[in-house]
Amino acid sequence: DTGVSQDPRHKITKRGQNVTFRCDPISEHNRLYWYRQTLGQGPEFLTYFQNEAQLEKSRLLSDRFSAERPKGSFSTLEIQRTEQGDSAMYLCASSLSGGREQFFGPGTRLTVL
Amino acid sequence: TQLLEQSPQFLSIQEGENLTVYCNSSSVFSSLQWYRQEPGEGPVLLVTVVTGGEVKKLKRLTFQFGDARKDSSLHITAAQPGDTGLYLCAGANNQGGKLIFGQGTELSVKP
Repeated sequence: DTGVSQDPRHKITKRGQNVTFRCDPISEHNRLYWYRQTLGQGPEFLTYFQNEAQLEKSRLLSDRFSAERPKGSFSTLEIQRTEQGDSAMYLCASSLSGGREQFFGPGTRLTVL
Repeated sequence: TQLLEQSPQFLSIQEGENLTVYCNSSSVFSSLQWYRQEPGEGPVLLVTVVTGGEVKKLKRLTFQFGDARKDSSLHITAAQPGDTGLYLCAGANNQGGKLIFGQGTELSVKP
């Protein structure tokens, strides 16, 4: 399967712990996006990369959130000192540079207790 | 801030009925995409519309982009239980940029 993959699919953590999620995009796609989706809502944009450069960050992305794409391939999203309000589905998508279509991974469901 | 409003938010119909989902904005988008999402999974792309007035068909699904590129609709003919899911519209301002999503329409088709 050559689609977008995300790991882990589910994460349960206690408030105050740090968590890290990984996204592997479609291999020839040089743009990678992170979105967050809460129950009953559409996804909200967090940040995106073109190759290893982070081109845009949403104001939703507080100081506790950091994303990297060090070699322009996979990306990680880290949340430090998690809060209950961080509980959500974290979605990754990829596209060709200049491409209109974004293809999503299966998501990582985070539950903060 | 650009917003996309979807209506209705919830729709429960019987198998064989027709339905239309609307996606409206006061802003112009360069393109608009429709996705379908099942519980616990990521959105799956159904179609992209680019040109004002464009109509695209995907089997029993018909997608239309408004002439002014501010709104779109999804029409499903003879709905089937397999059509059940969350339908999301998403607009883009430029190629390769972030998507702005509507809040989704939860469709349930009962046999």
